[in-house]
Amino acid sequence: KQEVTQIPAALSVPEGENLVLNCSFTDSAIYNLQWFRQDPGKGLTSLLLIQSSQREQTSGRLNASLDKSSGRSTLYIAASQPGDSATYLCAVPNSGNTPLVFGKGTRLSVIA
Amino acid sequence: GAVVSQHPSWVICKSGTSVKIECRSLDFQATTMFWYRQFPKQSLMLMATSNEGSKATYEQGVEKDKFLINHASLTLSTLTVTSAHPEDSSFYICSAPPDSPNYGYTFGSGTRLTVV
Repeated sequence: KQEVTQIPAALSVPEGENLVLNCSFTDSAIYNLQWFRQDPGKGLTSLLLIQSSQREQTSGRLNASLDKSSGRSTLYIAASQPGDSATYLCAVPNSGNTPLVFGKGTRLSVIA
Repeated sequence: GAVVSQHPSWVICKSGTSVKIECRSLDFQATTMFWYRQFPKQSLMLMATSNEGSKATYEQGVEKDKFLINHASLTLSTLTVTSAHPEDSSFYICSAPPDSPNYGYTFGSGTRLTVV
């Protein structure tokens, strides 16, 4: 059974810092990996999708990497801003039509 | 891109009553819909999988008679919380898988249920 772990559980950084969020998964036979953002009391916003054949994806200040063989992904946030404060979730499906398995998330606070 | 519309966004109901949550796929046909529940400061946990025209598949520990899931058409899946109790208060969210591996999963905006 796929299990997803995210480290750290919480992170507080001053504005402007670069930071890395970590995600690991137990079954490397994944289809793809998706990073989401969730604001308190809100739904999910998809940030980045990495296919199993890709090693990284970039969107603005966000860069996600994937090392499928070692079961790890990282989300790099450059020049953090207070508006980046949220919970970041990574999730994987094992195949195209199976449900996503989520990590518990990293709660990020960027202090102005 | 694919859009799933979820309603209501929040609801308050009395203990013992039933609440229906709807998820509609607006610009695509969703043969499958996943339903998740999220308790405060916890991650999303899969409750059940609905498939158009067949019975839903429930995860272990989820009461199928309490959480009724119907997927009567290719654009509508519903979750009904029957005889709701305060411990059912949670955030419920639906998700449709992509048609292509090039796209990610689509999520509804979620429903905050409070049972008083």
